[in-house]
Amino acid sequence: GAVVSQHPSWVICKSGTSVKIECRSLDFQATTMFWYRQFPKQSLMLMATSNEGSKATYEQGVEKDKFLINHASLTLSTLTVTSAHPEDSSFYICSAKRTVMSTDTQYFGPGTRLTVL
Amino acid sequence: QKEVEQDPGPLSVPEGAIVSLNCTYSNSAFQYFMWYRQYSRKGPELLMYTYSSGNKEDGRFTAQVDKSSKYISLFIRDSQPSDSATYLCASDTGRRALTFGSGTRLQVQP
Repeated sequence: GAVVSQHPSWVICKSGTSVKIECRSLDFQATTMFWYRQFPKQSLMLMATSNEGSKATYEQGVEKDKFLINHASLTLSTLTVTSAHPEDSSFYICSAKRTVMSTDTQYFGPGTRLTVL
Repeated sequence: QKEVEQDPGPLSVPEGAIVSLNCTYSNSAFQYFMWYRQYSRKGPELLMYTYSSGNKEDGRFTAQVDKSSKYISLFIRDSQPSDSATYLCASDTGRRALTFGSGTRLQVQP
């Protein structure tokens, strides 16, 4: 199966600082990646769609100036949480879309747990 | 109304039991249906992927899609304690990101 990595796996930061999370597709190229967040015992909520070489598309209610997304290459997308606050503490998960014989499948990274103090 | 509805559980079964997990969806444009398994503090892992109505089997897992009633199911045979996880159904129109159900927590008791 396809492999998607995330780094870091967990991070603790002080309120007001910025945190960058990387998402990499290790064995395939992904023109499209997605960023989700998940609160405890809840399902994944899509935050934004990251397209290689173009601006990300954000879901309604997600502040694009707070959650900066960069998809500079076919294997890497980054999510930067700017001026983080305790309410941003969550589990952030990326996925990468892989197309094989006209069939799209999303493969997920292991997630990054962010704790803002 | 959520586009994909799923009973959150928890569902507790004895080892060896047949598990039935279900979702309903409302968007007729959904064409692709997936089941993901998520262990605690981990990312979701793709289990099954189906496109059309009918059954798809992979080892102990069977995915079933009934587009006429907008109902999708996952059956797990001979359940094991290692199957204890949250199972997420997801649907896709093919043009956007996945829409997930809320997830069903499954616990298989040894």
